[in-house]
Amino acid sequence: GAVVSQHPSRVICKSGTSVKIECRSLDFQATTMFWYRQFPKQSLMLMATSNEGSKATYEQGVEKDKFLINHASLTLSTLTVTSAHPEDSSFYICSAVPGQGGYRETQYFGPGTRLLVL
Amino acid sequence: GQNIDQPTEMTATEGAIVQINCTYQTSGFNGLFWYQQHAGEAPTFLSYNVLDGLEEKGRFSSFLSRSKGYSYLLLKELQMKDSASYLCAVREGNKLVFGAGTILRVKS
Repeated sequence: GAVVSQHPSRVICKSGTSVKIECRSLDFQATTMFWYRQFPKQSLMLMATSNEGSKATYEQGVEKDKFLINHASLTLSTLTVTSAHPEDSSFYICSAVPGQGGYRETQYFGPGTRLLVL
Repeated sequence: GQNIDQPTEMTATEGAIVQINCTYQTSGFNGLFWYQQHAGEAPTFLSYNVLDGLEEKGRFSSFLSRSKGYSYLLLKELQMKDSASYLCAVREGNKLVFGAGTILRVKS
């Protein structure tokens, strides 16, 4: 099956610093990747859609200058949380869609990154 | 607007059958997914329905009625490892909109 990895799996940082999270599709190419955030006991909330070779599309209420997304290749997307604050502490999950990202494709999720901002 | 409803929690006995319901009201519909998520882990794909009817895959089956905006996930021969959160998600365009999830507790 399609495998998606994330790195790091867990990160603790000080308030005001920036954290970069990588999402890689290991055995397929993904034109489209998605970034989600999940707070404890809540469901996944889509933050942005990452498109290879173009700018990310952000959901309403998500600050694009705070959550920088770069989809540098067909197998790698990065999310950088800039000037992190304690309220940014959450579980960040990426997903990737094999192929051209058509609407019939299934999203495969990475293992998630748990961010704790002190 | 978007609205996806699932029961918050369910409890069932090992070996039994459990049905988890999901109702949805969305502005677009390109299929409905069920995912399983264990605590602290990413969701894993279980099933996908885009046409009305029942899709069976081993111990798991999923049903969809588009006219009623309704789906269910059926788990048979429950095992302790099935204790997890089950997420119903509707695809709109190429985006997934998730319900809040149903926590299933399987007891012996």
